[in-house]
This record gives sequence, C-alpha cells and structure tokens, in this order.
Amino acid sequence: DVKVTQSSRYLVKRTGEKVFLECVQDMDHENMFWYRQDPGLGLRLIYFSYDVKMKEKGDIPEGYSVSREKKERFSLILESASTNQTSMYLCASSSLALNTEAFFGQGTRLTVV
Amino acid sequence: AQSVTQLDSQVPVFEEAPVELRCNYSSSVSVYLFWYVQYPNQGLQLLLKYLSGSTLVKGINGFEAEFNKSQTSFHLRKPSVHISDTAEYFCAVIQAAGNKLTFGGGTRVLVKP
Repeated sequence: DVKVTQSSRYLVKRTGEKVFLECVQDMDHENMFWYRQDPGLGLRLIYFSYDVKMKEKGDIPEGYSVSREKKERFSLILESASTNQTSMYLCASSSLALNTEAFFGQGTRLTVV
Repeated sequence: AQSVTQLDSQVPVFEEAPVELRCNYSSSVSVYLFWYVQYPNQGLQLLLKYLSGSTLVKGINGFEAEFNKSQTSFHLRKPSVHISDTAEYFCAVIQAAGNKLTFGGGTRVLVKP
C-alpha cells in the first residue's frame, strides 16, 4: 500500500517560532510537493522538488523554505511562524512521468497563536 | 502559467439525484487534467484523469468527466449520488511539459437524504 506520511496531524506553535513539517514517502517518487489548503482557495502550491537537493518555488513561497536531503523525505520550514500561516498543510508525491497521479498525506493542521 | 476555476463552491444535492461539478482551466500549452476527492478529515485521492484519447473518462465510484478542448472545460458528473459522496472535489491541471500541479478552489458537495 503506497504511503505518504506527515509527521503530525495537529500542531500548535507560537508566533515567531521556527516550525518544521516533515513528509516521508515510500514509493521512490522523484517529485514531492507542499501545498496549503484554505477554505475557498483550494490547494495552493508552496514549493516542490523533482530531485534530491532540487527545489522550485510554487505560487506562495513567501515565508517558507524547504529541504530535501534524501529522496524519500521533504521538509517544509516556517522560518518565523505568523498567524496568517495557520492552515492545513498537505504533502504529496508523484513519479517523474506526468501521467501518474499524485499521492497525498493526511495533512497537518497548523495553528499559530 | 496555468490556472483552474471551479465555478461552484458548494453544491447541495439530494440522494439518488445527478450532480455535475464544473471545472474550467486556462493554459497556453497542452495539459493533463485530474479530479481528486477529499472526504472529511482525509487526504486527497484520485477520482479520474484525462491524459489523451477519448474525451469521456470514467473514474472510481461511478464518476465520469468530459474533456472539452474548445471550451477548456473538464466537468465531473455522476448520474446518481449517494450519501457517501459527501466530500470536497478538486479539479487539477498539469502542463504536458511541466511538473507543477495546479488545483482549483474546490467544490463542496453535500448529499441530502
């Protein structure tokens, strides 16, 4: 059974904290993605990576960074959390062939207080 | 650049009635199209995808979608819905030569008994 695992389902952090969201996939996929999901806005792409140590900005990268040191792991970093980063964060992975589906994790609901 | 518009944010429908969820996209190049479903408190899973060939695509759980290139649309339909179809549905597009998966704002379907 294919799996994308996000390290936490729920997180509460304080304003100004550095926050790490971890995602691991067991499908040997080349592509990995981080999205945030907000009501009425759908999923917006923050960053994606198509190879180890490679990354590209998505539509809303401001305030975020990412790290991909190993193929199976893709981390999202909030350098200094702010209340407007309170959201649901979804990680996904897919193989390099574009005609394959993306597999999603269960999501991390982050609240910044 | 590509974008996806889902014209209805919410669709209430009675059980056993038909439902259509509308999706329009814009892109200057060829695209692949997807519909995903998100059940409450779960991640996204693929319903169906259009890559090429027949414009009518059948997916899981009795859903189907029709690709219309001239109208740049990819509407999702089901002839008879069940209570279990209550969920949020997302249309997504990826350019044939790219690797950035872009989502629409989502349509929340509420099936009433």
